[in-house]
Amino acid sequence: AQSVTQLGSHVSVSEGALVLLRCNYSSSVPPYLFWYVQYPNQGLQLLLKYTSAATLVKGINGFEAEFKKSETSFHLTKPSAHMSDAAEYFCAVSDYGGSQGNLIFGKGTKLSVKP
Amino acid sequence: DTGVSQDPRHKITKRGQNVTFRCDPISEHNRLYWYRQTLGQGPEFLTYFQNEAQLEKSRLLSDRFSAERPKGSFSTLEIQRTEQGDSAMYLCASSSPGAKGDTQYFGPGTRLTVL
Repeated sequence: AQSVTQLGSHVSVSEGALVLLRCNYSSSVPPYLFWYVQYPNQGLQLLLKYTSAATLVKGINGFEAEFKKSETSFHLTKPSAHMSDAAEYFCAVSDYGGSQGNLIFGKGTKLSVKP
Repeated sequence: DTGVSQDPRHKITKRGQNVTFRCDPISEHNRLYWYRQTLGQGPEFLTYFQNEAQLEKSRLLSDRFSAERPKGSFSTLEIQRTEQGDSAMYLCASSSPGAKGDTQYFGPGTRLTVL
C-alpha cells in the first residue's frame, strides 16, 4: 500500500530564507507524487507533480521538488520565502500509481514566514 | 474557466440530523472524488466516480454516508443521522485523464459542524 510521511508538522522560516519541506513516500508501484498548498478555509491548490518524467519538477510560485528514488523522497523547496507562502502544504501519492486513483496524503506541514 | 464548486461552504447541524452537500466539477472532467479532512490531518479518500459509476468506496464511508452522481455531472454526498465525529471539511475534486497524468483539482470544501 502507498503511504506518505511528512517530517515536521510545523516549519518556520524568515522572509527571504530557503524553504525546505520534507516528504518521504512508500509505494509498491512507480509513484505519481504531488504537492498541494492549502490556505486557511480553502481547498487545495496543486503546486507541482511528478509523473515519471524529469526528476526535478518545477511548479508554481517558485517552488520545485526533486524525486529521489534511492531515498524515496520528494522534498519541496523554494530558494527565497515570501510572506504569502505561509500556508499548509501537503504531499500526496497516487494510490494506484500511474494516472488513476485516489490520492494518499501526508498529514501536512504548516509553513510560517517571519518578517 | 470555472473551477470545482461546492455548496454549502459551511453547515452547522445537530446530532442526528441528515445533511447533503453538492459538488459541481469542472465541466469536462469525468472523474469526481470526495475526501474528508479533519483538523490537523491531510485529506482522506472517501469515494470516487467515473462518469455516473461509483467505482470505489473507502472503508471510512460508513453506511450512513451515500454519494451519487446521477448524470455524470454534479455529485451529492449525504450523511444520515450525523454524529459529532462527522465534523470535518468535506472536499470534492475532479479530474480528467490525460497524457501527463490525472491531476485532481479541488473545490473550496464544505465545513460541517455537528453539535
